[in-house]
Amino acid sequence: AQKVTQAQTEISVVEKEDVTLDCVYETRDTTYYLFWYKQPPSGELVFLIRRNSFDEQNEISGRYSWNFQKSTSSFNFTITASQVVDSAVYFCALSLYNQGGKLIFGQGTELSVKP
Amino acid sequence: DTGVSQDPRHKITKRGQNVTFRCDPISEHNRLYWYRQTLGQGPEFLTYFQNEAQLEKSRLLSDRFSAERPKGSFSTLEIQRTEQGDSAMYLCASSLVFGYEQYFGPGTRLTVT
Repeated sequence: AQKVTQAQTEISVVEKEDVTLDCVYETRDTTYYLFWYKQPPSGELVFLIRRNSFDEQNEISGRYSWNFQKSTSSFNFTITASQVVDSAVYFCALSLYNQGGKLIFGQGTELSVKP
Repeated sequence: DTGVSQDPRHKITKRGQNVTFRCDPISEHNRLYWYRQTLGQGPEFLTYFQNEAQLEKSRLLSDRFSAERPKGSFSTLEIQRTEQGDSAMYLCASSLVFGYEQYFGPGTRLTVT
């Protein structure tokens, strides 16, 4: 069975703190993609990053960084020096080649950044 | 270029009525997906199209639900004989092919009273 688990339901930090959002996935497929999406209070899902199963290289984009480890089936997301505008629900998602590319989402982590 | 658009943004209907939602994907995107999101949950897959062909339907999509994508352009999702359990946000997304990111529309929030 394919599954995405985001064990942290809610995280609250103070502005400028670093925060890591955890994502663990399950699949037996060898060809898949992982994604992170942000859903701000306005409601629209915003794409942040994708990673394919053959590329374990970590990535940094500004204050955002992602750590993909196949050995632990994890794809964690770190925000450095968090800002109030980072407050949102963040979703990790899995897409399998053998299942038409539909996204299998985790439950989401609600991040609250307080000034 | 515009992103994915959905219409209407909000729909309030009485139980037993039929409703239809529309999604206009990004023009060059071949794939179109429908998801449903309830409060506090991640979106759940409903169905998807590759051009005009509907290739997969979730078990969540009862026979009261039907979706079309005529000519591989916009798509419609119809719910017949709505039930209170159908109240949710209905999201549409489009992408190029497998592996590419899906871009989401703003959603249609359905409330069944």
